[in-house]
Amino acid sequence: NAGVTQTPKFRILKIGQSMTLQCAQDMNHNYMYWYRQDPGMGLKLIYYSVGAGITDKGEVPNGYNVSRSTTEDFPLRLELAAPSQTSVYFCASSYQGASGRVTGELFFGEGSRLTVL
Amino acid sequence: TQLLEQSPQFLSIQEGENLTVYCNSSSVFSSLQWYRQEPGEGPVLLVTVVTGGEVKKLKRLTFQFGDARKDSSLHITAAQPGDTGLYLCAGGGGGATNKLIFGTGTLLAVQP
Repeated sequence: NAGVTQTPKFRILKIGQSMTLQCAQDMNHNYMYWYRQDPGMGLKLIYYSVGAGITDKGEVPNGYNVSRSTTEDFPLRLELAAPSQTSVYFCASSYQGASGRVTGELFFGEGSRLTVL
Repeated sequence: TQLLEQSPQFLSIQEGENLTVYCNSSSVFSSLQWYRQEPGEGPVLLVTVVTGGEVKKLKRLTFQFGDARKDSSLHITAAQPGDTGLYLCAGGGGGATNKLIFGTGTLLAVQP
C-alpha cells in the first residue's frame, strides 16, 4: 500500500518557468490537500479538494492552480515560478465519512522540495 | 485569521530528560492533533484530542487539551534519541472540509 505518492522529490526552476507537482493516493480518500512548509512557519494550506471535480482555495493560493479529475490524483500547477515559491510542498489526504467525522487523520506524502532561482 | 503558536521553537536536551511543548491560540478549536515529522518525510499523526480537559497518553508521551479548547501541551518523559523530530500541533475547526491550521512547530533534538 503506497499511501500518498508525490513526484518529483526535488526540482529547480528558473523564474517564470511552469511546472506541475504530481500527487496520487491509493487509499480511496475523498479529501486531498496541498500544503507548503517554509522554515519556522509550519504548514500553510494552498488548495484542497473534497472530491473529484471540487476544489477550493486555502490560506495561500496565489500563484498556484489545482485540478481534481479523479479521486486518486490532485496535481498542483505553478504557472510563473517566483523565488517566493521556493518551499517544500506536501500533499495530504484524509477520509471524511458520510457521518461528517471532523477529526480525520491527514496522511502526508514525503514532500517535493522546489527551488526557484 | 486563526493562529497556533508553539513554544519553544527549538529544544535540545539530553537523553533521559523530560520536556513540555506548548501550543497556544486565541481561537477555539473543535479538535487538536499532534504530528511528528522526521527529516525528508511528511508529518505523521501522533494523537487527536477533542474534549476540553482531555488527557491522552501514548507510552512516554502525554497530550492535554485545554479546558477552553484554545491550547494544548505535549509532555515527553525520559526523552530518547528516537524522539528527535519536528512536532506540529494542528487545530481543526470542525467543518466538513477537515481543514487544519498548523502551528509553527517545535524542533526537538535529543542527544544520546
